[in-house]
Amino acid sequence: DARVTQTPRDKVTEMGQEVTMRCQPILGHNTVFWYRQTMMQGLELLAYFRNRAPLDDSGMPKDRFSAEMPDATLATLKIQPSEPRDSAVYFCASGAGTVNTEAFFGQGTRLTVV
Amino acid sequence: DAKTTQPNSMESNEEEPVHLPCNHSTISGTDYIHWYRQLPSQGPEYVIHGLTSNVNNRMASLAIAEDRKSSTLILHRATLRDAAVYYCINVAGSYQLTFGKGTKLSVIP
Repeated sequence: DARVTQTPRDKVTEMGQEVTMRCQPILGHNTVFWYRQTMMQGLELLAYFRNRAPLDDSGMPKDRFSAEMPDATLATLKIQPSEPRDSAVYFCASGAGTVNTEAFFGQGTRLTVV
Repeated sequence: DAKTTQPNSMESNEEEPVHLPCNHSTISGTDYIHWYRQLPSQGPEYVIHGLTSNVNNRMASLAIAEDRKSSTLILHRATLRDAAVYYCINVAGSYQLTFGKGTKLSVIP
């Protein structure tokens, strides 16, 4: 049963610390998305990649957030330094990249910055 | 991607059919209409998608207006497990999936 795997599931960190969230997309999927979800803002698209290259990261605060795909089996989202307002659930999703195919979401990483 | 408009919330009685509407008046001719849902404390999950014709799968049916400016997701018999936020998205060739606020469906036992 193919699935998108995100680690860690939960992360509590102190303000100012670096946070790295990881995502293993489904094998063969060429498109990877990062989302942030809060009660106030809903599900926001932070960045997405096609064949490991960033297509759009305009939703991501550039000064502290970075997203990469070191290889086809790993996507990372880093926050440095973290701030309390970054507290949210972060979702990764992957898809085959064509309009008539669905995307699959991971279970999310719940980040709490204190 | 074209913007979609959905009601903030809807209620349904258990085992009754539910019709969830979505307006997408600025949809482009080649954009697909996708529906996802998000159960409490879970990531979004795919429900169904279509282009012009109505679609059925094991989860739901999708009815698309002839002018494609609106669509309706149909759950034939709502169960408590169907209580979720339902998102309607127009997907263009870029495959950028941008979510709106969705419709929160409550199912009453």
